[in-house]
Amino acid sequence: GNSVTQMEGPVTLSEEAFLTINCTYTATGYPSLFWYVQYPGEGLQLLLKATKADDKGSNKGFEATYRKETTSFHLEKGSVQVSDSAVYFCALRGDTGRRALTFGSGTRLQVQP
Amino acid sequence: EAGVAQSPRYKIIEKRQSVAFWCNPISGHATLYWYQQILGQGPKLLIQFQNNGVVDDSQLPKDRFSAERLKGVDSTLKIQPAKLEDSAVYLCASSLGRGTGVSETQYFGPGTRLLVL
Repeated sequence: GNSVTQMEGPVTLSEEAFLTINCTYTATGYPSLFWYVQYPGEGLQLLLKATKADDKGSNKGFEATYRKETTSFHLEKGSVQVSDSAVYFCALRGDTGRRALTFGSGTRLQVQP
Repeated sequence: EAGVAQSPRYKIIEKRQSVAFWCNPISGHATLYWYQQILGQGPKLLIQFQNNGVVDDSQLPKDRFSAERLKGVDSTLKIQPAKLEDSAVYLCASSLGRGTGVSETQYFGPGTRLLVL
């Protein structure tokens, strides 16, 4: 079945540091890949997505590239802010059958001023 | 555009009691999902509806969980009787559900946080 593996947190960074959160997946076919973010006390929000190999999703300074050869979708940001502190979830949606998302376990990011 | 609405936001019950959660999806969204998010884990699908029909309930503990989506709009998820391990956040999400586009975005509600004592 489909699965998503994320690096464990928490990840603690200073403001303006470079961020990478690793995500790898297992799926048959050509899934779509997503990053969702959950700010404290709020619901899940879509951060970015990519639907085919080599696509780059981007939003709010975050980027992730769909790498089929390494089955990865790592999240990056060049300069994090305190307001980026949240839990980040990598997810996939298969290209057949279920449309529901399969999520990773989440990575908590803490950015210190 | 209004988002996905859920109620209540919080619920505390004792084990063996029953509880119900309500979800109203974004207007016009045909597909509705219920996910369970246990503390420290990612959300896991419980059930998926397409209009008022069930598409996938393979991970729903049917001996105690039930869900319905009458008239293909809002939905109710029920637990009866609750167990301690049901303590979690219950998330409702919706998507347009037209065609087979794999990139279709799911929009999540704020969730209902359940604590079973």
